[in-house]
Amino acid sequence: AQSVAQPEDQVNVAEGNPLTVKCTYSVSGNPYLFWYVQYPNRGLQFLLKYITGDNLVKGSYGFEAEFNKSQTSFHLKKPSALVSDSALYFCAVRDLLTDKLIFGTGTRLQVFP
Amino acid sequence: KAGVTQTPRYLIKTRGQQVTLSCSPISGHRSVSWYQQTPGQGLQFLFEYFSETQRNKGNFPGRFSGRQFSNSRSEMNVSTLELGDSALYLCASSLRGPYNEQFFGPGTRLTVL
Repeated sequence: AQSVAQPEDQVNVAEGNPLTVKCTYSVSGNPYLFWYVQYPNRGLQFLLKYITGDNLVKGSYGFEAEFNKSQTSFHLKKPSALVSDSALYFCAVRDLLTDKLIFGTGTRLQVFP
Repeated sequence: KAGVTQTPRYLIKTRGQQVTLSCSPISGHRSVSWYQQTPGQGLQFLFEYFSETQRNKGNFPGRFSGRQFSNSRSEMNVSTLELGDSALYLCASSLRGPYNEQFFGPGTRLTVL
């Protein structure tokens, strides 16, 4: 079965520092991977996706993610964190057998001024 | 383009009652998915509809049901409410296809007393 894992419940980073939110996946076949962000009392917002092509994917709000097939990872990154980036981040993979979108457990990012 | 809308935004019910939540997808999106989000269980998939047909179903009891209308609007119903049904219910719409991202509504916060 397809799955994603987000090994960190929370990531703390100082404003201006680079940030990484980790995600690893387990799929059979080519993975379709997604990152979403959720601000308090809001729905999820799409950030970026990897379908095929370049391993470095650029998305909204200055975020990018690096697809690494050998490490089965799809970590979310940003060169310089903002306090406003503080939110809950979800990694997801498309299960090609069922067509369901499988979400990770989420990582809370806290950016301190 | 207008985003995904969900009504109502907040709902308070008592045990044993039933509730109906509504979702209007982005224009042109015929796929609608529903998720339950709780602090303990994270994001759990409820069901997906496409062209008025349920395409996928998660592991929820039969008290949870849904439907989709010809204009792609969707409703979900929970009968005989239990305290554990208190959650944020999220609706997402998308174009059909595994590589397409889902667009989420703001959610309906259901509290069962």
